[in-house]
Amino acid sequence: GAVVSQHPSRVICKSGTSVKIECRSLDFQATTMFWYRQFPKKSLMLMATSNEGSKATYEQGVEKDKFLINHASLTLSTLTVTSAHPEDSSFYICSAATSGGALETQYFGPGTRLLVL
Amino acid sequence: GIQVEQSPPDLILQEGANSTLRCNFSDSVNNLQWFHQNPWGQLINLFYIPSGTKQNGRLSATTVATERYSLLYISSSQTTDSGVYFCASRSNDYKLSFGAGTTVTVRA
Repeated sequence: GAVVSQHPSRVICKSGTSVKIECRSLDFQATTMFWYRQFPKKSLMLMATSNEGSKATYEQGVEKDKFLINHASLTLSTLTVTSAHPEDSSFYICSAATSGGALETQYFGPGTRLLVL
Repeated sequence: GIQVEQSPPDLILQEGANSTLRCNFSDSVNNLQWFHQNPWGQLINLFYIPSGTKQNGRLSATTVATERYSLLYISSSQTTDSGVYFCASRSNDYKLSFGAGTTVTVRA
């Protein structure tokens, strides 16, 4: 149980285009999803917290107009990187948690590697 | 926010060896988790351990909350144990703060 999927697993795009990444909880309902960014050989950096049916809460320094997050249902959150630039190239990871148990455990997706040319 | 420090940053082991990874955190935490990130990037929950000791196969973890540290023990290491081990603390707002990780390489 507690499986989280991400799609696509890998994407290459041209500078200036937008890219959408999906995060799905496959066998549980996730009232809260988190989006992280990881640079090579670095730790995970929390970008934003996404709650179903409400606006995402962004961490300091993360541009909300650049990284659009939508949590339309209890099993799906999307991250759209708008007008992507080479510096947006990174590994993006989502996690999902349920409201029960005080969000004790976040379950992580496999990540999406974005390369912007 | 809570600062999380991990040591050592890198660890090279011969297959079959035992090792200890350490995680120090700067303030009281509601939760402390250990994760393994495999070479393909997937994060796997290892332990949810706010205090005490837990064991799962060849892995075990101990958190001493009053002294603000946690230890992850790997016994009889195997090549499949290679990857990055992260500890992360959870604060009252449920956000996880990750340490920088320990990169473990197990050689056959």
